Amino acid sequence: AQSVSQHNHHVILSEAASLELGCNYSYGGTVNLFWYVQYPGQHLQLLLKYFSGDPLVKGIKGFEAEFIKSKFSFNLRKPSVQWSDTAEYFCAVNATNAGNNRKLIWGLGTSLAVNP
Amino acid sequence: GAGVSQSPSNKVTEKGKDVELRCDPISGHTALYWYRQSLGQGLEFLIYFQGNSAPDKSGLPSDRFSAERTGGSVSTLTIQRTQQEDSAVYLCASSRAGTSEETQYFGPGTRLLVL
Repeated sequence: AQSVSQHNHHVILSEAASLELGCNYSYGGTVNLFWYVQYPGQHLQLLLKYFSGDPLVKGIKGFEAEFIKSKFSFNLRKPSVQWSDTAEYFCAVNATNAGNNRKLIWGLGTSLAVNP
Repeated sequence: GAGVSQSPSNKVTEKGKDVELRCDPISGHTALYWYRQSLGQGLEFLIYFQGNSAPDKSGLPSDRFSAERTGGSVSTLTIQRTQQEDSAVYLCASSRAGTSEETQYFGPGTRLLVL
């Protein structure tokens, strides 16, 4: 069965610090990978996604993630965080050979607090 | 354009009562998903609709849960005889199915509290 593991449950950083949130998945086949963000009081928004091609993908607000197939990882990075990046971050995957149902399998999320 | 909408945004009910949650997907999106976000358990898949095909109900936790999608658009998730463990945020997502880069877009969710 597929599973997603996010290593950091709570992260506290100061503004301008660099961010890396870990995400590993367990699945033997080909996957699509996503990072979603939920800002306080708002709904889930897509941050970035990987389907194929260049394993380094860039998303909104200066975020990027690198797919390392050999490590089953899709870590999220940002070189310099801002107070407005305070949010909950979710890693999710779905299988490409699951037929039409592309249900997402989710990590438990990482709560990021950025101190001004 | 308009995103996915859900109603109500919050629902408080008594144990044993039935509740209905509504999802209005993005216009033109043929695929619709329901997920549940429980404290400490993360998000879990409940049910999937695609066009006129039979739904994939494999994620529904019990037969108290059911869902329908009328006219290929609006969907209703019904929980009968609610239990306290049903308390969670219920999220709906829609996508333009059939593309190689299918991406799900989420609504704001319905926060359900069963007393």
